[in-house]
Order: sequence, then structure tokens, then C-alpha cells
Amino acid sequence: NAGVTQTPKFQVLKTGQSMTLQCAQDMNHEYMSWYRQDPGMGLRLIHYSVGAGITDQGEVPNGYNVSRSTTEDFPLRLLSAAPSQTSVYFCASSLRPRTYSNQPQHFGDGTRLSIL
Amino acid sequence: DQQVKQNSPSLSVQEGRISILNCDYTNSMFDYFLWYKKYPAEGPTFLISISSIKDKNEDGRFTVFLNKSAKHLSLHIVPSQPGDSAVYFCAASAGGYQKVTFGTGTKLQVIP
Repeated sequence: NAGVTQTPKFQVLKTGQSMTLQCAQDMNHEYMSWYRQDPGMGLRLIHYSVGAGITDQGEVPNGYNVSRSTTEDFPLRLLSAAPSQTSVYFCASSLRPRTYSNQPQHFGDGTRLSIL
Repeated sequence: DQQVKQNSPSLSVQEGRISILNCDYTNSMFDYFLWYKKYPAEGPTFLISISSIKDKNEDGRFTVFLNKSAKHLSLHIVPSQPGDSAVYFCAASAGGYQKVTFGTGTKLQVIP
């Protein structure tokens, strides 16, 4: 049972380059999210998706693009990398939440991205 | 505007004693709260949660308390074990909505 798989685990980019962070889950979860973790800032939501074909912005969406063509995959694209995007990126998935409840998110192990 | 705050960046506790991690929130619309645990180089893993219709939830050594009037929740770990050493994140959401807001985390060190 793979859960949430993120690739690559590490990446170094030059300013202005573009790249795609991959995220795949095999639990048939409807909800998927991308977070970035920075020192002293906790986890901040970048983009999320409530199902295939549906995406929405989170707290810090600028400079990032997402799409959800299948239930399993939720790639995050950096359009033109900037040093401020140096961070650890986590992808997460969960089932649909219920009333007065929520569904715990399952996280991948992260992608550590450095922008020079 | 930090809607979920964990004011203690770090905490050290002796093995066998109680660990208490605190979390405050400002958004009165939050009605579901979760705690996640994170080891270095791994993603966060779900630990325990509580709905706003309850004030306490237990799961083994872990208990979460919610004080809605004070907009405060706490995670108690009893007894603390060295394997509990990790960063703990408090998280909150509103109305069954999966958009989750995380706190900044508290690094717990359990000393053998």
C-alpha cells in the first residue's frame, strides 16, 4: 500500500526555471492538497482539489499552478521559480469530510526544493 | 494573520511524565480540530482529532481537550515516551470543509 507518493524527493532549480512536482495517491481519495512548509511558518495551503476536474486556491497560490485530470494524480507546477519558493512541499489526500467531522489527511514524505 | 497559533516552539519532558502541547485559534467558525505528528524527513501523520460538539477525546496515551469559550485546545500525552519526540502540529477546519489551517508546530523532546 503506497499511500501518497511524491517525486522527486529533492530538486535544485535556477531562478526562472519551471518544473512539476508530482503527487499520486492510490487510496481513491477525493480530496488532495499541496502545502509548503517553511521555518516558523508551519504548513501553508497552496492549492487544493475536491475531485477530478475541480481545483481551488489556498492561502499562498501565487507562482503555482495545479490541475486534477484524474482522481489519483495532483501535480504542482512552478511556472517561473523564484528563491522565495525554496521550501519543503507536501502533498496530502483524504476522503470527503462529513458533517461535524473531517477526514484526516494522508501526507507524502515531501519534496525539498531549492531555488538558486 | 495566523488563525491557529502554537506559541511554544519547543518543549522538553522527562520520559514517563505528562507532555502538554497547547494551541489557540482565532476563527470562531472552526469546528473541527486535528493534531498531526511529524518526524524529520517524513510527512505529517494524523494523531487525534476532536469535533466542536465535544470537549474531550481520548485515544490511548493521547487526549485532546477543547475549550471553545477560550478558543483553546491542548494535547496531553501520558506517559511520554522517547518515540514521541517529534514536531506536533495543531490544525483546524470549518463546516466540514476540507480546507485546513495549520499552526506553526511545537517540537517535543522526551528525555530518557
